[in-house]
Amino acid sequence: GAGVSQTPSNKVTEKGKYVELRCDPISGHTALYWYRQSLGQGPEFLIYFQGTGAADDSGLPNDRFFAVRPEGSVSTLKIQRTERGDSAVYLCASSLGRTRVNNEQFFGPGTRLTVL
Amino acid sequence: KNQVEQSPQSLIILEGKNCTLQCNYTVSPFSNLRWYKQDTGRGPVSLTIMTFSENTKSNGRYTATLDADTKQSSLHITASQLSDSASYICVVSETGNTGKLIFGQGTTLQVKP
Repeated sequence: GAGVSQTPSNKVTEKGKYVELRCDPISGHTALYWYRQSLGQGPEFLIYFQGTGAADDSGLPNDRFFAVRPEGSVSTLKIQRTERGDSAVYLCASSLGRTRVNNEQFFGPGTRLTVL
Repeated sequence: KNQVEQSPQSLIILEGKNCTLQCNYTVSPFSNLRWYKQDTGRGPVSLTIMTFSENTKSNGRYTATLDADTKQSSLHITASQLSDSASYICVVSETGNTGKLIFGQGTTLQVKP
């Protein structure tokens, strides 16, 4: 595709439910990133994949959050037992290259998650 | 403590006017500094990327400056247009193996006719 795509664009769920957010990176980009952006704030790093493996998951807030990228392309961010504080826009980005340094990240439009 | 601080938090200017957004950071050492534009409901889009050895970089009406000694950067927008209304985010990339991006909270710019 032409850019990073994310689905769904909006997700409303109830507290305690499980959600999955999907990211389709730019074709050929080996690196993939997930960020969380609260209203009026800049994005906060969650996890970084290089290929199929999570190279850095230090930003995941707790063990309710998990992400996979089984074939090195599409990634899914999974949130268990959602809480109201999880409400945010979840952004995905991808970049070409095997390191994060000096590689431009291209962002998707985000998934707006609302936990009622 | 936020390692990337931006000011002002929000700004309103008239169409055609110039403006300058500020970014102070404490990330050290760093690999590069980026400015992103984020339209409402969209993901950030890169405007400029500067390494620590670069002092200025332009992209059309956008000019970014960097003073690595004082750890300050600015984004200057010339002859503003209504389409410049957006959030502008300063991002610093850590050096080393991590290359992690540290985002500022953004400056919300509104250009009025």
